[in-house]
Amino acid sequence: EVQLVESGGGLVQPGGSLRLSCAASGFTFTRYSMYWVRQAPGKGLAWVSRMTSDGSDTAYADSVKGRFTISRDNAKSSLYLQMNSLRAEDTAVYYCARGYNGPDYWGQGTLVTVSS
Amino acid sequence: DIQMTQSPSSLSASVGDRVTITCRASQGIRNDLGWYQQKPGKAPKRLIYAASSLQSGVPSRFSGSGSGTEFTLTISSLQPEDFATYYCLQHNRYPWTFGQGTKVEVK
Repeated sequence: EVQLVESGGGLVQPGGSLRLSCAASGFTFTRYSMYWVRQAPGKGLAWVSRMTSDGSDTAYADSVKGRFTISRDNAKSSLYLQMNSLRAEDTAVYYCARGYNGPDYWGQGTLVTVSS
Repeated sequence: DIQMTQSPSSLSASVGDRVTITCRASQGIRNDLGWYQQKPGKAPKRLIYAASSLQSGVPSRFSGSGSGTEFTLTISSLQPEDFATYYCLQHNRYPWTFGQGTKVEVK
């Protein structure tokens, strides 16, 4: 069974940093691109970032480019999102998702709240 | 960026109704489109991939169609567990973009 479990969310002040993790199991992690998608409270879904299966290529939404960094550790079957210079508008539930013809399986999400 | 215009934003329907939701892309995206269902407090669940392929385990009352710029999700006979919000997602070109969502409510 495919499982994706996010962690690392919490309350952070504007300008602060946070690192999200996503632990994957139930599939061969090294075969899949992985994604981060977020959802602000009461709002729709927004794609954040992507990393290819071997980690050689990344892509970011304009709203996070230069502030967020996606990475992965294939030996640990884990995906990460380093978030710096956080803003109030980054407040959201962050989901990691596996990629097969677009995101197929999603984790349950972790809430990031940026507030003073 | 490719804009995904989803309609309607909400609809009221009864169990057994046929429901249709549309997504229009601002430029051609071939069939690089998925449909997702989300219930309150839960992660999205993929229903359809490649515009018209049914995700494994998803009931056959869900179907997708379209290619290029016009796409449709159809629920042939709405069931109680189908009341939720539905999103389309284009993954043809970065940045990937979602439709605004369609909330399907009880009539």
